[in-house]
Amino acid sequence: DVKVTQSSRYLVKRTGEKVFLECVQDMDHENMFWYRQDPGLGLRLIYFSYDVKMKEKGDIPEGYSVSREKKERFSLILESASTNQTSMYLCASSLGQGAEKLFFGSGTQLSVL
Amino acid sequence: GENVEQHPSTLSVQEGDSAVIKCTYSDSASNYFPWYKQELGKRPQLIIDIRSNVGEKKDQRIAVTLNKTAKHFSLHITETQPEDSAVYFCAASYTGGFKTIFGAGTRLFVKA
Repeated sequence: DVKVTQSSRYLVKRTGEKVFLECVQDMDHENMFWYRQDPGLGLRLIYFSYDVKMKEKGDIPEGYSVSREKKERFSLILESASTNQTSMYLCASSLGQGAEKLFFGSGTQLSVL
Repeated sequence: GENVEQHPSTLSVQEGDSAVIKCTYSDSASNYFPWYKQELGKRPQLIIDIRSNVGEKKDQRIAVTLNKTAKHFSLHITETQPEDSAVYFCAASYTGGFKTIFGAGTRLFVKA
């Protein structure tokens, strides 16, 4: 069974902290994505990567960075967490063309206090 | 910028009835339209998708229709069951593109 695993289900951090969200996929997918999910706003793309060490900004990259050192792992970094980054973060991967047929992780609910 | 509007935001139906969720997209270059289902506390999962060279696609009790001219596409669920209760997201992108635009979601309640 295909798997996208996010390291934490719930996370509570303080304003100004550096936060790392980890995502691992075991499907040998080329493409990986980070989305944030907020009520009434759907899913919004933060960053994506189409190959190791390659990364591209999505629609809302401000305040975030990413790292992809290995094909199976894609990390989202909040350099200095702020309260408006409190959200559900979803990692996803896809095998083929672009963002078609996304496989999502279970999500990390991040609260920044 | 590009956006996808989704209606209604909440839908309540009786078990056995049909449910219809409608979406409108703005980017005429979009040619791939997936639908994701997210049950409470779980991950979104792809349930059906359609490309712009097809007007309708069915998979058991679910079907999706696409009107390219009007930039509308819809999800139809027939003979609804309680396990269909979830949030449904429509989305639009184009072949090979990495930026999928999602609708805001429709929370479907199926009453037994």
